[in-house]
Amino acid sequence: SQQGEEDPQALSIQEGENATMNCSYKTSINNLQWYRQNSGRGLVHLILIRSNEREKHSGRLRVTLDTSKKSSSLLITASRAADTASYFCATERSSNTGKLIFGQGTTLQVKP
Amino acid sequence: DAGVIQSPRHEVTEMGQEVTLRCKPISGHDYLFWYRQTMMRGLELLIYFNNNVPIDDSGMPEDRFSAKMPNASFSTLKIQPSEPRDSAVYFCASSLRGTGGGLLHFGNGTRLTVT
Repeated sequence: SQQGEEDPQALSIQEGENATMNCSYKTSINNLQWYRQNSGRGLVHLILIRSNEREKHSGRLRVTLDTSKKSSSLLITASRAADTASYFCATERSSNTGKLIFGQGTTLQVKP
Repeated sequence: DAGVIQSPRHEVTEMGQEVTLRCKPISGHDYLFWYRQTMMRGLELLIYFNNNVPIDDSGMPEDRFSAKMPNASFSTLKIQPSEPRDSAVYFCASSLRGTGGGLLHFGNGTRLTVT
């Protein structure tokens, strides 16, 4: 069963604009992670936020987590054409089993 | 570090044939995951191992699917007999959990087509 649901399913923006993707989940979590997938490739880890954290930054990425709403957002600032990819959130439940469940993903297109 | 290595990259087979997918995790990682990705169902966790022991195989769709991890550096996912609905991209991923939560490192996948 899918734990995370991303919103929107697809997003198209111009280079230089910011892109925001959202993720909702259903159960208590230990941590939430964001991954990126380029066409024809495996997923690449971007950032991890723990359940006791509210915000994290990594370069042009900003992730927020609201455990009361069971939601997270990924913001990519000053987007580039090279950011074109699919973005997935993944959650590890609070039982700390190591099991990661992925959402359906958001497909981002950044137009040059 | 060579990353997670999967083979083959592409596999085309006929319905009823046996298919074996292979994975070499990153050295030192203690978790190994097999995922399947399709347009309809997204990324599904099939099975995962911790220290070579299967922990959760509840995602394995049917008895036609089996996975093994005979040692820390090798795992296989076998489908016997294969069916057209098994067509998908199969990913292997490994992680080292430690105390910080596990970050998954993915291979580039095996694209399976069953005709």
